[in-house]
Amino acid sequence: DAKTTQPPSMDCAEGRAANLPCNHSTISGNEYVYWYRQIHSQGPQYIIHGLKNNETNEMASLIITEDRKSSTLILPHATLRDTAVYYCIVRFSYSGAGSYQLTFGKGTKLSVIP
Amino acid sequence: GAGVSQSPSNKVTEKGKDVELRCDPISGHTALYWYRQRLGQGLEFLIYFQGNSAPDKSGLPSDRFSAERTGESVSTLTIQRTQQEDSAVYLCASTNPGTGGREQYFGPGTRLTVT
Repeated sequence: DAKTTQPPSMDCAEGRAANLPCNHSTISGNEYVYWYRQIHSQGPQYIIHGLKNNETNEMASLIITEDRKSSTLILPHATLRDTAVYYCIVRFSYSGAGSYQLTFGKGTKLSVIP
Repeated sequence: GAGVSQSPSNKVTEKGKDVELRCDPISGHTALYWYRQRLGQGLEFLIYFQGNSAPDKSGLPSDRFSAERTGESVSTLTIQRTQQEDSAVYLCASTNPGTGGREQYFGPGTRLTVT
């Protein structure tokens, strides 16, 4: 899996959009960008993933640059409950042929401030 | 249920005792992972189950660790003769390879403390 680089920490005012960047300059053509988060004392939570096109779901939007070397996770209206460590990872599409365990880097600690 | 559940949520045990941790995956998810997460650390893969295939046990740290899964349902992780270094949060995740299996859904974890 390609390596990713994220800032170690970010602050965001409650109610504002949180934009979390991720660099993945060595991504290959068939690798997806995934985002997970881990709220303190909870298990990791899947947020969103994408290949080339921008994606949106009920939790967030994912913007992937045209060259696919970086992406941004957008939480449109951050709440205090969004305070967590956010992990950007790059993975191949799961083939179902065997285990494909998750490995997280350091991630970005997002603090949403009242 | 709607999500992955794990029990107990917390377990304190004395060094040398055996413990059993339980995971109930999302209904219909054929694949199940166990991970360990030490305080402030990343995920450490332990074992993987997929349907009726032989499990991938490559992440189990020692022969004190074992896991079972009955069909595509409940899984139990057993740690024998616990040691203090076994203290961690044990996480279970399930996924459905049949629908791409791209995302893993995690339970809340079991926090194990060995005294």
